[in-house]
Amino acid sequence: EAQVTQNPRYLITVTGKKLTVTCSQNMNHEYMSWYRQDPGLGLRQIYYSMNVEVTDKGDVPEGYKVSRKEKRNFPLILESPSPNQTSLYFCASRSLGGDFDEQYFGPGTRLTVT
Amino acid sequence: DQQVKQNSPSLSVQEGRISILNCDYTNSMFDYFLWYKKYPAEGPTFLISISSIKDKNEDGRFTVFLNKSAKHLSLHIVPSQPGDSAVYFCAASAVSNTGKLIFGQGTTLQVKP
Repeated sequence: EAQVTQNPRYLITVTGKKLTVTCSQNMNHEYMSWYRQDPGLGLRQIYYSMNVEVTDKGDVPEGYKVSRKEKRNFPLILESPSPNQTSLYFCASRSLGGDFDEQYFGPGTRLTVT
Repeated sequence: DQQVKQNSPSLSVQEGRISILNCDYTNSMFDYFLWYKKYPAEGPTFLISISSIKDKNEDGRFTVFLNKSAKHLSLHIVPSQPGDSAVYFCAASAVSNTGKLIFGQGTTLQVKP
C-alpha cells in the first residue's frame, strides 16, 4: 500500500529538548515536504526536498532543520523547540514527474512544546 | 503576507444543496490551483485542481472555477452530502518554483442531513 508514515503521531516535550519527527514514504518519490497546520493560518510549508541531498526553505523554516540522505526518508529536526512550535505537522511526498495533484500526505504529528 | 486567502472559516449547508467555497490569491505568478480535503485525524487529500489556462474543471459533484482577472477561485459541490463535511484547503503553486505550495487558511464545511 502506498503511504507516507510519520512518527511519533503525538509528542509532548519541553522547551529546548531536541527532537526529531521521522517521515518515510514507500513510493520512490523524489519530492518530499513538511508543513505545519495552525488555526487561522492553514497549512504552511516549512521545508521541501526535490531529491536526495537537495533541500530548500518553505515559508516558515525558522527553528527547523531537515536532511535528505535517503530517498525514502525526510526527518524534521527541532534543535531547540519553543512553545510557538506547538502545532500539527504533516509530511508529504510526490513524484517529480507528476504535480501536486499526486501529493500524498502523512497522518500528521501533533507536537506540544511546554 | 497571506498570498492565498480563504475568508470564510466555516460554511454550513443542507444536504442536497450546493456548497460554494471561495479562495482569493494575490500572486499573479500562480498558475496551478488545487483543493484539498481534510478529515479530522487524517492528512489532507487531493480533491480537484485547475490550471491557469482553464476557467473551469469538473469532476463528478465537484467543480472548480477560476477567474484570473479577479484572482479568485471557487469550489462548487453539488449536491452536498454529509460525507463532504471536512476542512477544505485551497492551494496554489507557480511553474517558476515547482517545489513551493501555498495554502489558504481552510474552510470548515458542515453538511447537515
